[in-house]
Amino acid sequence: GAVVSQHPSRVICKSGTSVKIECRSLDFQATTMFWYRQFPKQSLMLMATSNEGSKATYEQGVEKDKFLINHASLTLSTLTVTSAHPEDSSFYICSAFRGSEAFFGQGTRLTVV
Amino acid sequence: GENVEQHPSTLSVQEGDSAVIKCTYSDSASNYFPWYKQELGKRPQLIIDIRSNVGEKKDQRIAVTLNKTAKHFSLHITETQPEDSAVYFCAASVDYKLSFGAGTTVTVRA
Repeated sequence: GAVVSQHPSRVICKSGTSVKIECRSLDFQATTMFWYRQFPKQSLMLMATSNEGSKATYEQGVEKDKFLINHASLTLSTLTVTSAHPEDSSFYICSAFRGSEAFFGQGTRLTVV
Repeated sequence: GENVEQHPSTLSVQEGDSAVIKCTYSDSASNYFPWYKQELGKRPQLIIDIRSNVGEKKDQRIAVTLNKTAKHFSLHITETQPEDSAVYFCAASVDYKLSFGAGTTVTVRA
């Protein structure tokens, strides 16, 4: 079964509003989780590394004030897309390593209208 | 940072033939090289992986080879079947951070 759970799987929001996406490790503790964004017919692009108990590390070009990451516990990381715009519409996926293998959440299809 | 290049972007093969996808990476510190199959709107599914201390790994019809000196690794699928049709991504990892190739859309013709 799934070891990383992501919620919601789909969300539609209005421009200017914020959306929170949750990523949970189900049967293991993850001090580090990763957030990716995938545009249609493109690859997964790493947005940021979520670190439990400390600040997230953002990749170059990713606005940290727009994509807020909170990793408040060893099993939960959240990504909040603030002041969402249509260009933020994408597929967001989280992942965490259990042992030596990466496990991915189901992904969240965000549509900003 | 790590840069992973993947070729070809599309691949069409006759059922029963072999498919080969190649990737190169830039960071010599990369030590983990997974391959994923992704269906539309779904999470990536690990199909095989290889670590830097191994040159080749095989799992039934799927094999991966790694050349650390040349910084390239390849996925080989033999006896392709229609259900092998999907998008495949290679990735390279440094400190658990995965960098993905651009993807290859594989179509297996019946």
